[in-house]
Parts: sequence; C-alpha cells; structure tokens
Amino acid sequence: GAGVSQSPSNKVTEKGKDVELRCDPISGHTALYWYRQRLGQGLEFLIYFQGNSAPDKSGLPSDRFSAERTGESVSTLTIQRTQQEDSAVYLCASSSRLAGGYSGTDTQYFGPGTRLTVL
Amino acid sequence: KNEVEQSPQNLTAQEGEFITINCSYSVGISALHWLQQHPGGGIVSLFMLSSGKKKHGRLIATINIQEKHSSLHITASHPRDSAVYICAVRAYKRSQGNLIFGKGTKLSVKP
Repeated sequence: GAGVSQSPSNKVTEKGKDVELRCDPISGHTALYWYRQRLGQGLEFLIYFQGNSAPDKSGLPSDRFSAERTGESVSTLTIQRTQQEDSAVYLCASSSRLAGGYSGTDTQYFGPGTRLTVL
Repeated sequence: KNEVEQSPQNLTAQEGEFITINCSYSVGISALHWLQQHPGGGIVSLFMLSSGKKKHGRLIATINIQEKHSSLHITASHPRDSAVYICAVRAYKRSQGNLIFGKGTKLSVKP
C-alpha cells in the first residue's frame, strides 16, 4: 500500500515568509511524528500526535513553529516568519498503534521529507 | 556531552566483513531504536528494543540496559548495506515520539 507522503518535496522561501509543510500518513496509523534534520546534524524531534490525545509539542524550537492534525489523517507543520536556521529536511513518520502511557512503540514509517531552504 | 553517542562516526569495510556499530546513552530509557538512512535520504526503521537481542536477516541488535549500551551487528556485509545507521532512545516519561537521536554512523562497504 501507499507509504507516508510529504509535500512539497522541496521548498525555497525568503526569510520572513511563512511556509506550510504537509504530511499524509499511512491510512489507519494513529500516531504521527515530525522531525527535522539540519545539514550535517542528527535528527531532532519536533512534535508527536497520538490519536485524539493532546500532542507532545515539547520539541518545537520556537513559537514560530506550529502543527495540526485533522483527525487521524493529514498533518501540517507551519513555520511563520522563517529564518535561515530553519533550513533543514523536515521528516514525517507514522505508526500504527496508539500507545497507552509509556508502553512500547511500534515501527515508525518515514516519509521522504521536505527539503526547506530559507534564503 | 550528547545524551546518545555513537561510534564509530565513520566506518569503511570490505564486502563480507562482520560489522559492529555501537551506541551508548546517558539517560534512563524505555526503548531504543536503530534506523537506517539511505544515501538518498530515505529512513527505514530497523529495530525497536527494550531488552535482550533481536535479529532480522543479517542484522542483529543487542542492548544492555545496565550498561546503557546497544550494538548493531551486520554479518556478511554487502555494498547495499552502505548507509548511515542511527541510534535513537526514548527516555523515561517521555512520549512515544519524543526520541533523542545519535549523530549516526556512516558505513561504506566496498566490493
């Protein structure tokens, strides 16, 4: 079946503009994750949605970053007033099981990422 | 000091060699992941483990909770194994998605 898809695949924007990145998870996956990877750096957690629970937003680097998820489907990550340090590959992943408390996780399936370049 | 350290940072091997990549962490964890990032950037989840050992094909992952250490082994390595291997941990009392990532080990397997 279809995997996780993200759009756009590449985005070039000017400093100060707002951008919106989209993630379509695998159908039926209740958990959705956003990460970013800056050039030459490791992955960083941004935000995690699980079912109808309140999202874990603790990884968002500033209040310019926000994310929404419509039910158990599409998610959008919005970056307002972009800065050059926001340039990175933004990765989305989804997994199938709604974790209760701090129980174990299921396999995460990653999308291809959106490469954001802020000039 | 990073909470998740991987070694080596870079590794070059000849086809057929046995490979070991190490991951040490400094926080209490509930789970540890191994991921593979292909040269084109795509990421594949290899293992999630919280104790003991898991095997999938030529890949073996082990974890020692007391020593806060995990290893990823590749037997009979092949050029198609060339990728960046990433260790990530989920610290206690953090949500399922809130992972701390190592910087990765870049593996190159020569034919």
